[in-house]
Parts: sequence; structure tokens; C-alpha cells
Amino acid sequence: GDSVTQMEGPVTLSEEAFLTINCTYTATGYPSLFWYVQYPGEGLQLLLKATKADDKGSNKGFEATYRKETTSFHLEKGSVQVSDSAVYFCALRAPDFYGGSQGNLIFGKGTKLSVKP
Amino acid sequence: DVKVTQSSRYLVKRTGEKVFLECVQDMDHENMFWYRQDPGLGLRLIYFSYDVKMKEKGDIPEGYSVSREKKERFSLILESASTNQTSMYLCASSLRGVNTEAFFGQGTRLTVV
Repeated sequence: GDSVTQMEGPVTLSEEAFLTINCTYTATGYPSLFWYVQYPGEGLQLLLKATKADDKGSNKGFEATYRKETTSFHLEKGSVQVSDSAVYFCALRAPDFYGGSQGNLIFGKGTKLSVKP
Repeated sequence: DVKVTQSSRYLVKRTGEKVFLECVQDMDHENMFWYRQDPGLGLRLIYFSYDVKMKEKGDIPEGYSVSREKKERFSLILESASTNQTSMYLCASSLRGVNTEAFFGQGTRLTVV
């Protein structure tokens, strides 16, 4: 079945360091890919998305490129801030059809990021 | 803005109780989801609904049921709560379609004692 694998955490960085969180996926067809962020005590928020191969999603200085050849969607940020401390989830959504379960969002296990001043 | 509202942020229930977790969305979304979030396990899908009165089991439906009588409301029911159901429960909704993102509620932290 479809699945998402992301790097294990926790990840601890100093402020202004470069961030990469790896994400690879397995899916049939052409899924859309997402990064969600969860700040302490809150629900998940969409950070960025890409809906087809070679698309780059970006938001708040974060970027990720949909690489079909390597089935990857790695999250990057050039200079992290303390306020970026959160849990980051990679997710995919497979093509759906009415009456089927393929409209589900499938998540990786999450990567906890801590940024120190 | 899309809003997904879960009825409680924190809930404490006793073993064997019947527990209802309510979720309401205000954007006329077809799809609604219930996930469970546990440390080290990420988000696991309990049930998914793609239309009123329609539901599909997710990865871990045992011990749970759901109800969707109206499009905007999706309820998760723990028929007889057990301590291993202590967890964070997240509701989400989305439009139908592979390109659409899901919007999440704030979560309900349920403790079963």
C-alpha cells in the first residue's frame, strides 16, 4: 500500500542553521505531497504542498520539491528560527474515487525539530 | 477561513464508559477524517467518511465507530473506553480530490482511567 517514510527525530539545530528533513514515499499513480507542521499543543497546519512532479512548494521560507524519479519530497529551510520548533509531518494523498478510501491522507511518523538560540 | 472544531480539548473518562468525540466543519467539505496521534507512531487513520452516512475503516478501527448524519458533523464513538485508547484524537476535513489539503481541528486529548 501507499506509505510515507521520513527521517527520525528529534533534530536539534542552532538558530540560523540549515534544515533538511528527508521524506520519501511509495504510491501508485500520481499522488499529491504535503508538509504539515504541528506547534506545541495545537493541531496540524498545512505548511506547503506540491501536486505534480517537479513542482516546488514554498511557504515561510520552507521549500520542498516533488521528485518523482527519487520518490522524495525533502523539506528545507536556509535559516531556521526558534519559532520553527515544532513537529513536521510529510504526507501524501493518492488519487481518489467516489466510494473508495484512496482519498485518505497518509502521514509519516513526524520529525520533531528543536531550534536553540 | 476554514474552521474545524472539536468539542473538547481535554477529556477524562473511566474504563468501560461510552465516549463521544464530536467534530464540526464549516466549509461544506465532503471528506472528514478521524486520526489518532501517539508518540513514535505518528498519525494513524481510524475512520474516514466521504459523504453523509458513508464511512470507511482506516488502519485502526477496532474499538471505535463513527457517525455522520449531517455533512458538517463527524462523530467518533468509543463503545467501551479502555486505557489503551488514551491518546490525542485529531479530526480533519477536506474537499474531494487528490490536490486538496485537509484542515485539522485542535485535537482532543483523551485520558481513560
